Amino acid sequence: SQLAEENPWALSVHEGESVTVNCSYKTSITALQWYRQKSGEGPAQLILIRSNEREKRNGRLRATLDTSSQSSSLSITATRCEDTAVYFCATGSSGSWQLIFGSGTQLTVMP
Amino acid sequence: NAGVIQTPRHKVTGKGQEATLWCEPISGHSAVFWYRQTIVQGLEFLTYFRNQAPIDDSGMPKERFSAQMPNQSHSTLKIQSTQPQDSAVYLCASSTGGAETLYFGSGTRLTVL
Repeated sequence: SQLAEENPWALSVHEGESVTVNCSYKTSITALQWYRQKSGEGPAQLILIRSNEREKRNGRLRATLDTSSQSSSLSITATRCEDTAVYFCATGSSGSWQLIFGSGTQLTVMP
Repeated sequence: NAGVIQTPRHKVTGKGQEATLWCEPISGHSAVFWYRQTIVQGLEFLTYFRNQAPIDDSGMPKERFSAQMPNQSHSTLKIQSTQPQDSAVYLCASSTGGAETLYFGSGTRLTVL
């Protein structure tokens, strides 16, 4: 079973709209990470949010973390066509070196 | 800083042949990770080196797959007797030590015919 899982599986919005991707995870964490992968590239980290943080921002991106419900969200405001990508949440078990990725959410931003 | 460099970008092999994939981590990074990405399985952890020493290879298939890091400037992933099910994008990532922020290369797309 997946350690972390995003939903929905796919999203489609028009430029300028806001969008939110959700993530649920199954283990005690010290931090949760959000990555974005554009076609033909490797994943790139967007935000790392630690277990003692509830919210983290990076420009148009905002991540939240709720350790009680083991869930996180990534919101993007004023979306652009270049935001089209697969968005992953990733985490690891305490004491493990493995960073485990969810299956990803495919976001398509249309002109 | 050129980022993590992976070569080749694409590799096509025949069933039963050997494939060697190369990774040059970011200079100064002490940790190297290998992942495999497929549509069905997503991103799968394969192995992890720290200061060139193998730390965790629990994701590596027990047969045919091996990884090495002979020096701090490159790591290799070798697949012997490749099979069609080995077809995937193999991603290398480096970090300053742990798994907090991974910097990925663009990957090597391996196709086994």
